[in-house]
Amino acid sequence: GESVGLHLPTLSVQEGDNSIINCAYSNSASDYFIWYKQESGKGPQFIIDIRSNMDKRQGQRVTVLLNKTVKHLSLQIAATQPGDSAVYFCAGRFMNNNAGNMLTFGGGTRLMVKP
Amino acid sequence: GAGVSQSPSNKVTEKGKDVELRCDPISGHTALYWYRQSLGQGLEFLIYFQGNSAPDKSGLPSDRFSAERTGGSVSTLTIQRTQQEDSAVYLCASSLPRGEQYFGPGTRLTVT
Repeated sequence: GESVGLHLPTLSVQEGDNSIINCAYSNSASDYFIWYKQESGKGPQFIIDIRSNMDKRQGQRVTVLLNKTVKHLSLQIAATQPGDSAVYFCAGRFMNNNAGNMLTFGGGTRLMVKP
Repeated sequence: GAGVSQSPSNKVTEKGKDVELRCDPISGHTALYWYRQSLGQGLEFLIYFQGNSAPDKSGLPSDRFSAERTGGSVSTLTIQRTQQEDSAVYLCASSLPRGEQYFGPGTRLTVT
């Protein structure tokens, strides 16, 4: 079925270290994936996306890797900062002509940055 | 407006009462989405609007849930005869057709 899930519910890292948040999906009928950051009391905020015809995309301090063979997605945050502490969600857009840009979200990983 | 806004930010209601949640999308965004987020969980898709029509209502959990959108802008999500399991944060997002979704801050609903 259509599902997007995460390996770890909580990730604790030291400030300055790199963070890697993982996500697995089961439905290969997706044209793109997105990572969102959600801080307490706020809605999800777009971080970076990647189309299914790519395997890597880089942004500012963030890199998303897509491995379609094993249906795995990861978000790498370089030099993690206290402001990166939040819950991170991966989401996939699955082909559904009736639901436009409807996204299926994973359960989220809470990133905690230790000073 | 500058972003997606939702009201109220918090709503506490008694079991059995009806509630209305409002979403003001970004001006010019034709697509509007409602999601539900239970405590510590991911986002669950509820309904999608393209303009004023809702091609996909399959995510609505029961017939107590309904939504409408008028003038291609504001949308309201109505929950009738609320139950405790309806307690969650209800998030609205808007986008250009097949564009990036921008989320509002959500409405936290607590049913006592």
